[in-house]
Amino acid sequence: GAVVSQHPSWVICKSGTSVKIECRSLDFQATTMFWYRQFPKQSLMLMATSNEGSKATYEQGVEKDKFLINHASLTLSTLTVTSAHPEDSSFYICSARPLGPDKGSDTQYFGPGTRLTVL
Amino acid sequence: AQSVTQPDIHITVSEGASLELRCNYSYGATPYLFWYVQSPGQGLQLLLKYFSGDTLVQGIKGFEAEFKRSQSSFNLRKPSVHWSDAAEYFCAVGPYNFNKFYFGSGTKLNVKP
Repeated sequence: GAVVSQHPSWVICKSGTSVKIECRSLDFQATTMFWYRQFPKQSLMLMATSNEGSKATYEQGVEKDKFLINHASLTLSTLTVTSAHPEDSSFYICSARPLGPDKGSDTQYFGPGTRLTVL
Repeated sequence: AQSVTQPDIHITVSEGASLELRCNYSYGATPYLFWYVQSPGQGLQLLLKYFSGDTLVQGIKGFEAEFKRSQSSFNLRKPSVHWSDAAEYFCAVGPYNFNKFYFGSGTKLNVKP
């Protein structure tokens, strides 16, 4: 199947520091990667959509300068939470849409998520 | 407005019993519908999807879902639940380019022995 990994799986940081989360498609190339945020007992909320080599498109209400997204290659996207605060604590999930039809470009494949706790 | 509603937050069924998880959607265009399952420590796994055609779709692990346009519903079913089905299930709707998905809030399934 199509596998997406995230690193780290969990991270604890101090308020004011920055944290980088990596999302990799392991066995396929992804034209588009997505970043979601999931609050406890709530749905996944799309934060931004990134295409390789171009700027990410952020959803309304998501601070571009706080959540920096880089999609440097067809297999890697990173989310950097800058100057993190306790309210940024959440579960961050990435997904990737395959480039070609063999892996199914008509869906998204999800990573296992990263639990961020800001003290 | 686009939205997905999963009215049941928690459901408990006995192993071997049948299961139905409800999903209602509101979407301004032709909906592309998905069901995903999330186990602890795992990413969301696609169970099945509906784009067009036969309104009853078969998925992996013995799951099926029925699209009912008149009711704006896409309920997930399984005739006989296994203990390994215990997980959280998410319904999602998306556009033709499979970009902006809207997810329901999820239904957590517990399976009694």
